[in-house]
Amino acid sequence: DVQMTQSPSSLSASVGDRVTITCRASQSISTYLNWYQQKPGKAPKLLIYAASSLQSGVPSRFSGRGSGTDFTLTITNLQPEDFGIYYCQQTYSSPRCTFGQGTKLDIK
Amino acid sequence: QLQLQESGPGLVKPSETLSLTCTVSGGSISRSSDYWVWIRQPPGKGLEWIGSIHYSGSTYYNPSLNSRVTISVDTSKKQFSLKLRSVTATDTAAYYCAGLRGVPIAFIEFWGQGTLVTVSS
Repeated sequence: DVQMTQSPSSLSASVGDRVTITCRASQSISTYLNWYQQKPGKAPKLLIYAASSLQSGVPSRFSGRGSGTDFTLTITNLQPEDFGIYYCQQTYSSPRCTFGQGTKLDIK
Repeated sequence: QLQLQESGPGLVKPSETLSLTCTVSGGSISRSSDYWVWIRQPPGKGLEWIGSIHYSGSTYYNPSLNSRVTISVDTSKKQFSLKLRSVTATDTAAYYCAGLRGVPIAFIEFWGQGTLVTVSS
């Protein structure tokens, strides 16, 4: 099974900051990596697919990079509505998939 | 716009079977490139993939749950279902149904709203 490890587990940042979340796969997964944002009581929302493709309707301050085993999600010019929990997901083994453990982002 | 809706009991007794159904609307359940998945999230914890099913009936399960899980599909009703046997308190979670689609790299664009299932006597 492909294991996904995110870091950090939590972080706090201020409006206008640049934030980077890292996701590491236990084996190479090419660019079979997606990022989601989850708000309390809601289903996750797709932000980035295929490591770096921005989902339609998602603000351009969100960006993704990486391939192989190391990936990053970067949020520039952080906005108050960006609080939530961010998850990476690998679909290299699709239709099986696995998620990272999540990164909780608080806005100072 | 594809929509998914979970339905089923919100309370299940220990040792019994958890049964949920997901109804798909606004699109086809029979696209060859799509898989339909169940994902759960215990309170305050992360997302766990339970299993996936193709409209043809092919299934794939999380090894940690494989012995207790059955996922089935009814294309005529545009529904797919989850059965989890012999539940315990650790199966208490929000259960989401979703569509896994995209070629060659699959992702989940459409999710159900989620349904909280509590295992308690």
